[in-house]
Parts: sequence; C-alpha cells; structure tokens
Amino acid sequence: SQELEQSPQSLIVQEGKNLTINCTSSKTLYGLYWYKQKYGEGLIFLMMLQKGGEEKSHEKITAKLDEKKQQSSLHITASQPSHAGIYLCGAFSGGYQKVTFGIGTKLQVIP
Amino acid sequence: DTAVSQTPKYLVTQMGNDKSIKCEQNLGHDTMYWYKQDSKKFLKIMFSYNNKELIINETVPNRFSPKSPDKAHLNLHINSLELGDSAVYFCASSQVGRAQETQYFGPGTRLLVL
Repeated sequence: SQELEQSPQSLIVQEGKNLTINCTSSKTLYGLYWYKQKYGEGLIFLMMLQKGGEEKSHEKITAKLDEKKQQSSLHITASQPSHAGIYLCGAFSGGYQKVTFGIGTKLQVIP
Repeated sequence: DTAVSQTPKYLVTQMGNDKSIKCEQNLGHDTMYWYKQDSKKFLKIMFSYNNKELIINETVPNRFSPKSPDKAHLNLHINSLELGDSAVYFCASSQVGRAQETQYFGPGTRLLVL
C-alpha cells in the first residue's frame, strides 16, 4: 500500500518568513492533494496536483508535483499567523477513490 | 450554508456502549466517506459509499457499520465501543467516486471512550 512521509513533522517560524513542507510517496504519484486542518475544524482543501511538474498557487501558498521524485512540496511565502495549522498531503496512485494521507506537518507562526 | 455537517461534534461515552455519528452533505455529491484520525493524527479511510452503495470497506472491525439512507447522508454506527475507538471521525464527500475528485470534509466528531 502507498505510504506518504511528510517533513518536517513540526515547524515553528517567525511571521514573514518563507517555509517549505515536503511530501514523499513510497509509490508512483498519480495525483496529490494538499489540505490544511485547524483544531476543531475539518480539512480545508488547498489544491490538487495531477501532472508532473504541475505547480499551483493559492494566495501565498504554492505547491509543486515532482513525479520523478515521487514528491510534492508546499511553499508558503511571507508566512502569517493565519497560516498556522496542520498541513496534510493526500495521494492517489491510480485505482478508484482511495486517497492515502500523510501524518501531517504542524505549522506554528510566531507574530 | 454548511457543505458537509456532522453530529455530534463531541461524543463522550462508556466502553461497551453503542453510538451513532451522522453526516449530511448538501453539495449534491454522489460519494461519501468516513475517515478515522487517531491520536497520532494519522487520517485513514474507513468506508466510502457511492449512491448508497458500499465501494470501499477498509480493514475495520465489524462493530463499525455505515448506513446510507440516501446519497446525501452517511451515518456511522459503532457497537460495543472500545477504548481504542477514541479518535476524531471525519465525514467527507466528493462529486463522484474517483480519487481525482476533490473531497470536502466535515468538521469532525471527537469520540472519547472511557
């Protein structure tokens, strides 16, 4: 079964700093989701990447899919306290419906 | 206008009890899911239904029984609750059942079994 490893597992940054979170798959990636989770809330969809080399942006968050490395990176520019939360990557490797999630990266942004 | 809603939000109960969690989506989606997020924050799929038909049934104890009365609702009934069932349970829905279809999540139900 597919496994996803996220790094780092935890991150504390000063407001205004840039940061990157990585998600590496044990199998070929057909597509990958990035979600954000805040305590007491469900997962908020950020973006989905399907094609190798695809890059998408949502406000100050950019994610890219590297098919060859079986990896995706999520980059936040000029982080703000509102970016704090747990970022989860979820991948599908073909087949019907099933999405496997990583353990998440907990981000704290210090004002 | 809540897209995917779950009730209750919190559930504290004794071991051995039977409980249900309800989920409703007003997005007109065909597919609904139940996920379990354990204390280590691992989010794992349990079940998915497509138009009231069971599609995915992961290795889950048969004490867990999903029920879909219609495609807008997917309820989760748990019999003989155990300590290890304590977790956050998330419901989600997507337009159709392909993994490429974005899943929209509910706020979660925090279950604590004492």
